[in-house]
Amino acid sequence: DVKVTQSSRYLVKRTGEKVFLECVQDMDHENMFWYRQDPGLGLRLIYFSYDVKMKEKGDIPEGYSVSREKKERFSLILESASTNQTSMYLCASTHEGYNEQFFGPGTRLTVL
Amino acid sequence: SQQGEEDPQALSIQEGENATMNCSYKTSINNLQWYRQNSGRGLVHLILIRSNEREKHSGRLRVTLDTSKKSSSLLITASRAADTASYFCATPYTGGFKTIFGAGTRLFVKA
Repeated sequence: DVKVTQSSRYLVKRTGEKVFLECVQDMDHENMFWYRQDPGLGLRLIYFSYDVKMKEKGDIPEGYSVSREKKERFSLILESASTNQTSMYLCASTHEGYNEQFFGPGTRLTVL
Repeated sequence: SQQGEEDPQALSIQEGENATMNCSYKTSINNLQWYRQNSGRGLVHLILIRSNEREKHSGRLRVTLDTSKKSSSLLITASRAADTASYFCATPYTGGFKTIFGAGTRLFVKA
C-alpha cells in the first residue's frame, strides 16, 4: 500500500516563526503536492513538484516555499507564519499526472 | 464558481438507505475522481471514471458520468454509520499536475 506520511498531525506556532512541514511517500512517485484545506473553500493547491529539485506554483503560493531534494520527500516552508495561514495542510503524491492522488493524514497548523 | 461542485452540501440519512451525491464540472476532462475524507484526516481515493466510461462500480459504490451534461454522481448503497464522511469529486487538468477539488458533500449516516 502506498503510504504518505506527514511530520506532524497538529502544530502550534507563533506569528513570524519559520515553519517546516515535511511529507514523505514510499512508492517512488514522481509527483508531489501541497494543499491547504479551509472550511467552505475546499482544497487549494499551494505548490507541486514533478521531479527532484523541480517545483511549480499552484493557485495560492504566496507566503510559502517548497523544497524537494529527494524524490520521496517534499517540504513546505512558511517563511514567516501569519495567522491567516492557520489551516489544514495536506500532502499528496501520484505516479503519473492524471492518476489518483494518495494523501497524507494532514497537519492542522494553528498560528497564534 | 469552481469546477467540481458537489450537491448537496450536506446529506443526512438512516443506516441502510442509499446516498446519492452529485458533481458538476465546467471544462473537458480526462477522468473524474471521487474521494472520501473522514473528519480531520486526509483524503482517500474511492474510484476513478474515465471520460469514455459512463458507469463504474466498486463494492457498494456506483459512479456515473455524463460528459454531455458535465456531471457525475456517486451512489453509496446500503449505507452504514461508518460511511459518515465528506465526499469530494476531483477533476485533474493541465497534464494532471493540477486537480480541482469541489467543496464536498458531508454525509451523515444515522445508526
